[in-house]
Amino acid sequence: NAGVTQTPKFQVLKTGQSMTLQCAQDMNHNSMYWYRQDPGMGLRLIYYSASEGTTDKGEVPNGYNVSRLNKREFSLRLESAAPSQTSVYFCASSRLTEAFFGQGTRLTVV
Amino acid sequence: RKEVEQDPGPFNVPEGATVAFNCTYSNSASQSFFWYRQDCRKEPKLLMSVYSSGNEDGRFTAQLNRASQYISLLIRDSKLSDSATYLCVVNSASPGFQKLVFGTGTRLLVSP
Repeated sequence: NAGVTQTPKFQVLKTGQSMTLQCAQDMNHNSMYWYRQDPGMGLRLIYYSASEGTTDKGEVPNGYNVSRLNKREFSLRLESAAPSQTSVYFCASSRLTEAFFGQGTRLTVV
Repeated sequence: RKEVEQDPGPFNVPEGATVAFNCTYSNSASQSFFWYRQDCRKEPKLLMSVYSSGNEDGRFTAQLNRASQYISLLIRDSKLSDSATYLCVVNSASPGFQKLVFGTGTRLLVSP
């Protein structure tokens, strides 16, 4: 029973590098989300997808792009990483009530 | 103004104490409300939903006041294992879809 799976768990990038964070859920949920969590800032919504084929900006979308590849997968791409994107990234999915989170990706941009 | 506001704490309490957390939200159209728990360096997990009539789950009681746009969580008989950060969460989107907005969390430290 995997739930929400995120990869990678840890990543160090140099400024200007690009990377994609992967997220997959096996609960047949329609809605998926990407959050970042920074000390003192709480969880902030980057992008969300209400259903397959749709994506919308959240509170802090600048510097990120997303793809809802299919119902299961929702990826987050950093095209040109910046030190300000050092954070813990969480993917989540939900149907009607409870949201389930992945274990997080700890990203450091140097 | 943040959409969901919480006192960051930390709240330091002895085992067996009763502790209460409060949370306010700004979007009067918010549809549903939750408390999540997050342990250090782990993902958030649902603790309980919050209903207008108030609801209880063992030692935990949640209350919602829509008129004041206020949510509370009461923990009775605190255990060491209750030490965590408690996140107030509001669904600010239409029914049937969740756009979850998180507070910054309130940290609880329960000591022996």
